[in-house]
Amino acid sequence: QKEVEQNSGPLSVPEGAIASLNCTYSDRGSQSFFWYRQYSGKSPELIMFIYSNGDKEDGRFTAQLNKASQYVSLLIRDSQPSDSATYLCAVRVSGAGSYQLTFGKGTKLSVIP
Amino acid sequence: DAGVIQSPRHEVTEMGQEVTLRCKPISGHDYLFWYRQTMMRGLELLIYFNNNVPIDDSGMPEDRFSAKMPNASFSTLKIQPSEPRDSAVYFCASSPPPGRDEQYFGPGTRLTVT
Repeated sequence: QKEVEQNSGPLSVPEGAIASLNCTYSDRGSQSFFWYRQYSGKSPELIMFIYSNGDKEDGRFTAQLNKASQYVSLLIRDSQPSDSATYLCAVRVSGAGSYQLTFGKGTKLSVIP
Repeated sequence: DAGVIQSPRHEVTEMGQEVTLRCKPISGHDYLFWYRQTMMRGLELLIYFNNNVPIDDSGMPEDRFSAKMPNASFSTLKIQPSEPRDSAVYFCASSPPPGRDEQYFGPGTRLTVT
């Protein structure tokens, strides 16, 4: 079974610090990787996606992918209290014509003012 | 452009009743996904459609669940009869044509079966 694993947290960081969120996946053929943010009582919101090994930066967010280690991470620089949410890692399963995403259970981040 | 629209936002029903959840995807998106989210199991894919055709329904928990997409702008998820263990938040998401994998979620329907 194809799995996506995340530390459930909560992860607490002080305001202004770097928050590091990690995710591992079991399907070595996975090709597309996503980070969603979900505020309590709200729907998941796409914040980053990455397809190639290495880093991808977008504002305060950096996604990192290491396919050899089957590992994807999200760094949030200068963390703000508004970043407090659950972060879901999602992986597109391999296979021609397959557009399903498998989600991890999420890591709850708390940014302390 | 409006996002994914779901209705109702909240539904409370008694065990044994029929429940119908509705979804309108983003215009131009030809993939539609139904998910269920619980604390225990996280976000689970139930079924997805491409160009109104069901592609994979292996996540549908049992025959009590059914989904339809009669046209490009409307889909329903029906539970009949409903049971307390169906209580969850049900999300609909849509995705643009292939080449762009990102999925955009609706606000969800919180279902409570008593």
